[in-house]
Amino acid sequence: QEQLVQSGAEVKKPGASVKVSCKTSGYTFNSHYIHWVRQAPGQGLEWMGVINPSGDTTRYHQKFQGRLTMTRDTSTSTIYMELSSLRSEDTALYYCARDWSSGDSSWWLDPWGQGTLVTVSS
Amino acid sequence: SSEVTQDPAVSVALGQTVRITCQGDSLRKYYASWYQQKPGQAPVVVIYDKNNRPSGIPDRFSGSSSGNTASLTITGAQAEDEADYYCFSRDSTGNHWVFGGGTNVTVL
Repeated sequence: QEQLVQSGAEVKKPGASVKVSCKTSGYTFNSHYIHWVRQAPGQGLEWMGVINPSGDTTRYHQKFQGRLTMTRDTSTSTIYMELSSLRSEDTALYYCARDWSSGDSSWWLDPWGQGTLVTVSS
Repeated sequence: SSEVTQDPAVSVALGQTVRITCQGDSLRKYYASWYQQKPGQAPVVVIYDKNNRPSGIPDRFSGSSSGNTASLTITGAQAEDEADYYCFSRDSTGNHWVFGGGTNVTVL
């Protein structure tokens, strides 16, 4: 079945970078965009950005411009999210999720990865 | 701040109906999808593409849209519906996406 499996938890020091992977399976890799979403402890969901695996094009939330990079490896059907210059406020659960769309007016995310906890602490 | 807004919390008596709303200018042009998140779990889509339910989602969940407001209605709420619910849509520029702040639903 269609599945997104993420890499394991990470602990990083302030100023460091983290790279989280999202391995896809069960569908044609190039056929769906992948979004990244994060959730700080006790907080809501925050959209970070999206990558088109077909053309490697990306769109990032302005909040993360300059710190966020999304890439893909077509040979392993894997998407990567790298966040640099980490600070304590980046401590969160990071999710990848597959995009679906209907025309130009409707989008949804399904399925989601299991989440990767990134802890930023000195 | 979020470009689409939700009430932080609502409560509903067991078996009664509750409506969760999501407001924003972008919703005049784009539809919202809705996600249920229970503690310690990843979000799950419950309504997508106007008013469609994925397989396995009970038909007590329904969606609607009018003007700048999208709504998720739970008709005959059950104890297992206690969760956080988020709306998701394109932002007002159309270039990015955005989640509502989430609504915590308590079933009394």
